[in-house]
Amino acid sequence: ETGVTQTPRHLVMGMTNKKSLKCEQHLGHNAMYWYKQSAKKPLELMFVYNFKEQTENNSVPSRFSPECPNSSHLFLHLHTLQPEDSALYLCASSQDQDNTEAFFGQGTRLTVV
Amino acid sequence: DQQVKQNSPSLSVQEGRISILNCDYTNSMFDYFLWYKKYPAEGPTFLISISSIKDKNEDGRFTVFLNKSAKHLSLHIVPSQPGDSAVYFCAASSPGNTPLVFGKGTRLSVIA
Repeated sequence: ETGVTQTPRHLVMGMTNKKSLKCEQHLGHNAMYWYKQSAKKPLELMFVYNFKEQTENNSVPSRFSPECPNSSHLFLHLHTLQPEDSALYLCASSQDQDNTEAFFGQGTRLTVV
Repeated sequence: DQQVKQNSPSLSVQEGRISILNCDYTNSMFDYFLWYKKYPAEGPTFLISISSIKDKNEDGRFTVFLNKSAKHLSLHIVPSQPGDSAVYFCAASSPGNTPLVFGKGTRLSVIA
């Protein structure tokens, strides 16, 4: 148990659906991240939030929309995804953006059909 | 271009022997390196780290070696146990507000 919880663990959605991934941490961390893990590829950083402000967007398509209402919660809103977006989406948090020891959630396995 | 490379996608080692996982990096600005371990259907968990001011860090059965001139680091697990079977990710960061950069991972199988 890392202290970072992601829901749902598995999600199957159609290309016209709208869904959201949720991440929650009660570690008192100020930085939260979304990563994408595709098969045989390195973990890809998608978004970074530091003190609820988005500080990094790694050229992620607009069909992925993050939201950070407070420092404990992070959402990833999904709409009109493509089958190639199927992957494991991992949330992580760290004390702050300079603290490089990040704690990961268990991930959401997303399948787009 | 990948800044952190793990060139061996998989490694099999017998129980009790030493496992050596390798990682190379290209960015000379990296000053902090980490190893994460990942079981299937779980997120990566932090294992061990090393700062660029050191060349070795040891924690129980796990030792990380850093060779800055070669831009190479390795994780040694001695002795290897079946429970060590997992995917191991190497990660690196540079000073300032820079999140981790990960390698593709190496799948370690420890055979009883």
